[in-house]
Formats: sequence, structure tokens, C-alpha cells
Amino acid sequence: EVQLVESGGGLVQPGGSLRLSCAASGFTFSSYAMTWVRQAPGKGLEWVSGISISGDRTYYADSVKGRFTISRDDSKSTLYLQMNSLRAEDTAIYYCAKDWFSGSWGQGSLVTVSS
Amino acid sequence: DIQMTQSPSSLSASVGDRVTITCRASQSISTYLNWYQQRPGQAPKLLIYAASSLQSGVPSRFSGSGSGTDLTLTISNLQPEDFASYYCQQSYRTPYTFGQGTKLEIK
Repeated sequence: EVQLVESGGGLVQPGGSLRLSCAASGFTFSSYAMTWVRQAPGKGLEWVSGISISGDRTYYADSVKGRFTISRDDSKSTLYLQMNSLRAEDTAIYYCAKDWFSGSWGQGSLVTVSS
Repeated sequence: DIQMTQSPSSLSASVGDRVTITCRASQSISTYLNWYQQRPGQAPKLLIYAASSLQSGVPSRFSGSGSGTDLTLTISNLQPEDFASYYCQQSYRTPYTFGQGTKLEIK
């Protein structure tokens, strides 16, 4: 059974940093691209970032480009999202998902950016 | 970026009804279109990929059609568990943008 477990969310002040992790199990992590999607409270889904199988290609939404960095550690079957220069509008539940479009999602990790 | 516009934004229907949700892309996306269902407090669930392919385990009352810029999700014989929010997502070009969502409510 595919399992994706996000961690690392919490309350952070504007301008601060946070690193999200997504621990994967139940599939061969190194054989799949991975994605981060977020959802602000009461709002719709926003695609944030994606990383290729080998990790050599990364993609970002314009809203986070230059501030967020996606990475992966295949030896640990873990996906990361380093978030810097956080803004109030980054407040959301962050989901990791298997592949470019996905039938497998984590339960989400809440990030709150507030002073 | 490719903009995805869903219509309607909200929809009221009754159990047993047939409903259609439309997603319009700002440029042609061929059939690189996916549909998700999201219930409150839950992660999204993939229903349809590649415009018309039913994800494993999804009831056959869900169907997708279209190509290019106008694509649709149809739900036949609505069941109580179908009242949720629905999102389209293009996977033609990154960033793989979502539509703004359609909330399906019980009439």
C-alpha cells in the first residue's frame, strides 16, 4: 500500500523558513516523479512544485519560484520542500503526491505564516 | 502558464441526477487533463486521468470527455457520497495548474 507522510509544518513568522518532508513507502520511490500541492484555508488546490525521477529537473509555480526548493533523497525515500522568505499567503495545507498527477496523496502538513 | 477555468463554480443537484462540469484551458492541452474529487478534511482523490481514463476503483458513473481546450466531467446517477468539490488539472505543461474548483451540493 502506498503511504506518503508529510511532516515539518507549523507556525512561522513572515520572512522565516521551514522545511517540509514527505516519507514514502509501499512503492519504489526512486522510480517516480514527485509533486507538492497546497491548499490555502477554504480555497482551491494550487500546484507548487515537481521533481523528476532522477532529480535533475525541478519545476515551480511562479508564486514560489526563487523562494522554495524541492529535492529528494532516494536512499531515504523522502521528498523535501525547503521554503524560505515565507509570506502570509503561503499559509496552507501542503500535500505531497506521487508522480505528476496522482492517485496517491499524503494527509497534508499545515503551514501557518503569521506574526 | 496555462489557465484552467471551471464552470460552474457551484452546483446544486439531487440524488439520481446527472451533472456535467466543464474545464476550459487557455490553450490546447490535447487530452492532458485530470479530474479530482475532494471531500471536506480529506486529500484529493484522482477520478479521471488523460481526459477520459477512469482511475482504478472509481465507479463507472464518473466519465470524462473532450480534448483541446474544452473538457468535461460527467457524473451520472448522483449518489450521496458524490457531493464534494471537484477540480480539473492540466498535465500538458508545467506548472500543472488546477481549475478553481466546483462545489457540488445537495439540492
